[in-house]
Amino acid sequence: DVVMTQTPVSLPVSLGGQASISCRSSQSLVHSNGNTYLHWYLQKPGQSPQLLIYRVSNRFSGVPDRFSGSGSGTDFTLKISRVEPEDLGDYYCLQSTHFPPTFGAGTKLELK
Amino acid sequence: EVQLVESGGGLVQPGRSLKFSCAASGFTFSDYAMAWVRQAPKKGLEWVATIIYDGSSTYYRDSVKGRFTISRDNAKSTLYLQMDSLRSEDTATYYCARHDYYSGFDYWGQGVMVTVSS
Repeated sequence: DVVMTQTPVSLPVSLGGQASISCRSSQSLVHSNGNTYLHWYLQKPGQSPQLLIYRVSNRFSGVPDRFSGSGSGTDFTLKISRVEPEDLGDYYCLQSTHFPPTFGAGTKLELK
Repeated sequence: EVQLVESGGGLVQPGRSLKFSCAASGFTFSDYAMAWVRQAPKKGLEWVATIIYDGSSTYYRDSVKGRFTISRDNAKSTLYLQMDSLRSEDTATYYCARHDYYSGFDYWGQGVMVTVSS
């Protein structure tokens, strides 16, 4: 299975500040069709996960432009600018290029 | 508005069975693959199973293969998970999710808790 390594495990931030989360895969996530199936999720406390970014850099419906995704191959980053209280929670990356789909272990975004 | 509402779950003894369901609305259910994703207490997310749009193919993670069965009823817009020979390590919140080929698991239900304990 593809191993997804997320860093950091915990990320203290100040409101209004910026956060950056890294996700690295144990093998390239470029599919034979040329697409890269790397997605980002936020799970707020006590809630279900919600999709933020799909296929590396595409914001899902209703996701504010404070969230941006980048990367290629095995190295990906989620950036959150102007952090707001509703951004706090656990962030996960997911690869669905290879079977089975696998998630990173998560990054907890919390107040400094 | 896309809605996924799970029902069922609860406390079950090791070795026993449990089945729960997920009612979908707000989209054409028969157009999409569907999945179950679970989260053990205080742990991360783990994909469990996927069924394609017409139910003709199913996929499972190795640890549940032969014990869990994912199924769907497109006439009722409902997804199911039958869990047999349950183990303590199956204790988790189980989420129903729409599984889109291009955007991953794009909509999630509220989750249903399953506790396997004697």
